[in-house]
Amino acid sequence: DAGITQSPRHKVTETGTPVTLRCHQTENHRYMYWYRQDPGHGLRLIHYSYGVKDTDKGEVSDGYSVSRSKTEDFLLTLESATSSQTSVYFCAITTGLNYGYTFGSGTRLTVV
Amino acid sequence: QKEVEQDPGPLSVPEGAIVSLNCTYSNSAFQYFMWYRQYSRKGPELLMYTYSSGNKEDGRFTAQVDKSSKYISLFIRDSQPSDSATYLCAMTWEIQGAQKLVFGQGTRLTINP
Repeated sequence: DAGITQSPRHKVTETGTPVTLRCHQTENHRYMYWYRQDPGHGLRLIHYSYGVKDTDKGEVSDGYSVSRSKTEDFLLTLESATSSQTSVYFCAITTGLNYGYTFGSGTRLTVV
Repeated sequence: QKEVEQDPGPLSVPEGAIVSLNCTYSNSAFQYFMWYRQYSRKGPELLMYTYSSGNKEDGRFTAQVDKSSKYISLFIRDSQPSDSATYLCAMTWEIQGAQKLVFGQGTRLTINP
């Protein structure tokens, strides 16, 4: 998938536990994004990054934090997982305004 | 009201039919308009993008944008079973140099052989 990988691909966790999802890119892109996809809502932006240590919130950021200590890695953390955070999470990178996004294959997270 | 509204479908058509997928939007700041295709259990992949009103063709696919009506469409000619997927419209604007992408809900399309 154009040098972008997500891990893990699947995870089941218990309510109240912390969870970290990883996005890794090999193409040295500046901008990275985390989305969640839910039926009836489409894809919604959680957080994005515009450089190392530079991040900002998206439309559904409550309950999530992110970190980017290296260009290639963008981590999404659920501090205390809740059932409402059961979703498919996608990481994306972009080369520029008119080139669209390249998405990873997604992480399917289930919070029980 | 959502910034981007997309007919949810699902849509089921016979092979060879012309398919029309549509989205409306409310934010005049959107600069680029895109269509993504998403196969089951895969990430979305960029299918087409455009930034001006009018039509853009790529093989069997035509993207149409009408900025005055805030309406975009994707047409698929001679539809094939391999076109069966969820199609998401998306629109972008720029904040702090970062491209912000807003998606429609997606339309699930099935092409029946």
